[in-house]
Amino acid sequence: EPEVTQTPSHQVTQMGQEVILRCVPISNHLYFYWYRQILGQKVEFLVSFYNNEISEKSEIFDDQFSVERPDGSNFTLKIRSTKLEDSAMYFCASSDSPGTGGTDTQYFGPGTRLTVL
Amino acid sequence: DAKTTQPPSMDCAEGRAANLPCNHSTISGNEYVYWYRQIHSQGPQYIIHGLKNNETNEMASLIITEDRKSSTLILPHATLRDTAVYYCIVRVDRMFSGGYNKLIFGAGTRLAVHP
Repeated sequence: EPEVTQTPSHQVTQMGQEVILRCVPISNHLYFYWYRQILGQKVEFLVSFYNNEISEKSEIFDDQFSVERPDGSNFTLKIRSTKLEDSAMYFCASSDSPGTGGTDTQYFGPGTRLTVL
Repeated sequence: DAKTTQPPSMDCAEGRAANLPCNHSTISGNEYVYWYRQIHSQGPQYIIHGLKNNETNEMASLIITEDRKSSTLILPHATLRDTAVYYCIVRVDRMFSGGYNKLIFGAGTRLAVHP
């Protein structure tokens, strides 16, 4: 069964450093998402991406964040200058176009645990 | 998107049916009910979704009331591996959302399945 994969599973970085989290969505999917979950808190939406551009972003997704689909298979989240409060699980998700009269189901990857020291 | 209300926690004995309720009294006609679960800190796992008819798949059944203001997720024979946080999410059909289709997670129901 196709699945979303994410690398690395755990990333440790120093405050102020740049990190890139990588995701390989399900191959025929067209919509891509990033969510995050701070330890003990809810899963929060960050950004959605379609047709090579951001379609929606949350207040969390400020200028320090960016997303890219560099090569047609990977989908990346970059944090330019990490802060302590960026420590969280980051989940990538992807979904297909719903076609006629349907919905699109988002499938999530296993997550990357980001620890900022 | 409409908001949902779920009990914070539930218990279930292994082998018995787990019935997880969800209230979504402000749901609109073009909004679907989705269920996901999260085991430990793993990525949310899709379970099932529906609009107004009851749905069943290999994981669970979804019962939606006739007025669509509430629903119940049924795990027919719960196992220890079903211990997780279960999220009920209401989301508009993409055809009506203009492409804005994020999932809004609440606190969910923490289901504990015990031997």
